[in-house]
Amino acid sequence: AQSVTQLGSHVSVSEGALVLLRCNYSSSVPPYLFWYVQYPNQGLQLLLKYTSAATLVKGINGFEAEFKKSETSFHLTKPSAHMSDAAEYFCAVSDISSNTGKLIFGQGTTLQVKP
Amino acid sequence: DSGVTQTPKHLITATGQRVTLRCSPRSGDLSVYWYQQSLDQGLQFLIQYYNGEERAKGNILERFSAQQFPDLHSELNLSSLELGDSALYFCASSSQGKNSPLHFGNGTRLTVT
Repeated sequence: AQSVTQLGSHVSVSEGALVLLRCNYSSSVPPYLFWYVQYPNQGLQLLLKYTSAATLVKGINGFEAEFKKSETSFHLTKPSAHMSDAAEYFCAVSDISSNTGKLIFGQGTTLQVKP
Repeated sequence: DSGVTQTPKHLITATGQRVTLRCSPRSGDLSVYWYQQSLDQGLQFLIQYYNGEERAKGNILERFSAQQFPDLHSELNLSSLELGDSALYFCASSSQGKNSPLHFGNGTRLTVT
């Protein structure tokens, strides 16, 4: 069965600093991976997705993620944090074994951006 | 705007009661998913429908049920409510394909008092 683990429930960075949110996956088959962002009182918004085309995936709002099979990782990065990036971020893997398209989510990482 | 509409936005009810949450998927999406988000459990998959048929079941209690109608909107029914059912309930929709992302509504916040 597929699963994802997000390392660090809270990450705090200064405005302008590098953002690094960690996600490791477990999958017996090549995974489909996603990053979502959730702003307060809103639903989840898709940031980017990996579907085996390219290992470096660019998303919205300047975020990108790199798929590393050897490390079973799909970490999310942004070179320079903005105050507006403060939100909760979720890594997810598609449950390929069930062939339903449902996503299995990590526990989430809250990003705090300090001025 | 994801194109997924959920109503109501907020619901406050008492223990033992029954409520219905409604979801309209994005135009053209045949799959509807229901998730529960709580502080202690995170995002938990409840159930999925595809074109009116139940496709997958997750950690959904027997007190909960769902259906998808011919116009593809879906309803999640929660009965005999308990304090622990207080949570955010999200609906998501997707088009066909295992690598299709889910598009989420803004959720219904349920408070059971």
